[in-house]
Amino acid sequence: DVKVTQSSRYLVKRTGEKVFLECVQDMDHENMFWYRQDPGLGLRLIYFSYDVKMKEKGDIPEGYSVSREKKERFSLILESASTNQTSMYLCASSPSRRNEQFFGPGTRLTVL
Amino acid sequence: AQSVSQHNHHVILSEAASLELGCNYSYGGTVNLFWYVQYPGQHLQLLLKYFSGDPLVKGIKGFEAEFIKSKFSFNLRKPSVQWSDTAEYFCAVKGGSARQLTFGSGTQLTVLP
Repeated sequence: DVKVTQSSRYLVKRTGEKVFLECVQDMDHENMFWYRQDPGLGLRLIYFSYDVKMKEKGDIPEGYSVSREKKERFSLILESASTNQTSMYLCASSPSRRNEQFFGPGTRLTVL
Repeated sequence: AQSVSQHNHHVILSEAASLELGCNYSYGGTVNLFWYVQYPGQHLQLLLKYFSGDPLVKGIKGFEAEFIKSKFSFNLRKPSVQWSDTAEYFCAVKGGSARQLTFGSGTQLTVLP
C-alpha cells in the first residue's frame, strides 16, 4: 500500500513564525502536491512538484514556498505565518503515468 | 482552466435511501474524473475513477458514477446508503495535459440511522 505521511497531525504557531510542514511518501512517486482544505472551499492546490528540485505554483501559492531536495520528501514552508493560513494542509503523491493521487492524513495548522 | 462544481453542499438521507451527488466540470478536451471520500477523522481516499471506456464506473463500497460527456457531468450514485457512508465527498477532474487535479468544494453526506 502507498503510504504518505505528514510530520504533524496538529500544529499551533504564532503570527510571524516560520513554519515547516513535511511530507514523505514511500512509493517512489514522481509527483507530489500540497493542498489546503477549508470548509466550503474544498481542496485548493498550493504547489506541486513533478521531480526533485522542480516545483510549480498551484492556484493559491501566495505566502507559501516549497522544497523538494529528495524524491520522497516534499516540504511546505510558511515564511511568516498569518492567521488566514489557519487551515488543514494535505499532502498527496502520484506516479507519473497515472493520475490517481494518494493522500496523507493532513496537518491541522492553527496560527494565533 | 478546468473547474468543478458540486451543487449540493450538504445532503441528509435516511438509511436505505438512494443517493445521487452531482458533479459538473468545465473543460473542453479529454478528462480524467475522480470521486474521493473523506470519512470523519480519516484521510481522503479514492472511491472511483474514470479514465476511458465504459462511462459507468463502479467503485468501492457499492458506489458508482456515470460519465456523461454531453452534459460535462460525473454524478455519484449509490442505490441504498448506510450510516457508515456519512462522510464528505469530493469530485475532481484532470484535463488534458494538466499534471494537477482540480477539486470541487465537496458535499457533506449525513446518513441518519
